[in-house]
Amino acid sequence: DAGVIQSPRHEVTEMGQEVTLRCKPISGHDYLFWYRQTMMRGLELLIYFNNNVPIDDSGMPEDRFSAKMPNASFSTLKIQPSEPRDSAVYFCASRLGGVDQPQHFGDGTRLSIL
Amino acid sequence: RKEVEQDPGPFNVPEGATVAFNCTYSNSASQSFFWYRQDCRKEPKLLMSVYSSGNEDGRFTAQLNRASQYISLLIRDSKLSDSATYLCVVIIIKAAGNKLTFGGGTRVLVKP
Repeated sequence: DAGVIQSPRHEVTEMGQEVTLRCKPISGHDYLFWYRQTMMRGLELLIYFNNNVPIDDSGMPEDRFSAKMPNASFSTLKIQPSEPRDSAVYFCASRLGGVDQPQHFGDGTRLSIL
Repeated sequence: RKEVEQDPGPFNVPEGATVAFNCTYSNSASQSFFWYRQDCRKEPKLLMSVYSSGNEDGRFTAQLNRASQYISLLIRDSKLSDSATYLCVVIIIKAAGNKLTFGGGTRVLVKP
């Protein structure tokens, strides 16, 4: 079975550029999560969706970050304009059902902003 | 104080030994708990849920202490392949949307 698919795996870009990260959740999963992981701050929840609707975006750092889920099989996380402090590994995860169910993570996107 | 705290380690463990570590949480309304394992440069993967009465999965035992607000993970008969970072997850269930927080992780190094 296909797991959570993220693209790109790696991205290196210059500050000020727009960055778009993509995620395809596991088919049938009704929850989708975006995380950011850094050495300093660990794994932080940025936003999550339930049935394509954003439920909690309190973890989104600032207005430069936006996330969308236009349908059940696709989500994007966009950073515009990007800054060097946005460099991190960004994970997408999906889950079927309530909080007692596990989240399944994608391989992550390693983002470097120069 | 962080909402969820873990000793970052590393815990250096001889192969075959037992290791245990905790994850403390500050919000008494926390209701759901998990342990995840993350290998270097890989994604987190679910290790086990933590049930109120404690639970075992092979060599791994998870426990919850609500009074002192921590969960624990114990690994018996450590294998070299147990070397990883172990992340706890604490979830507060709310009507407006659940609050999910990961700990910073505890690094475990099992050595021959």
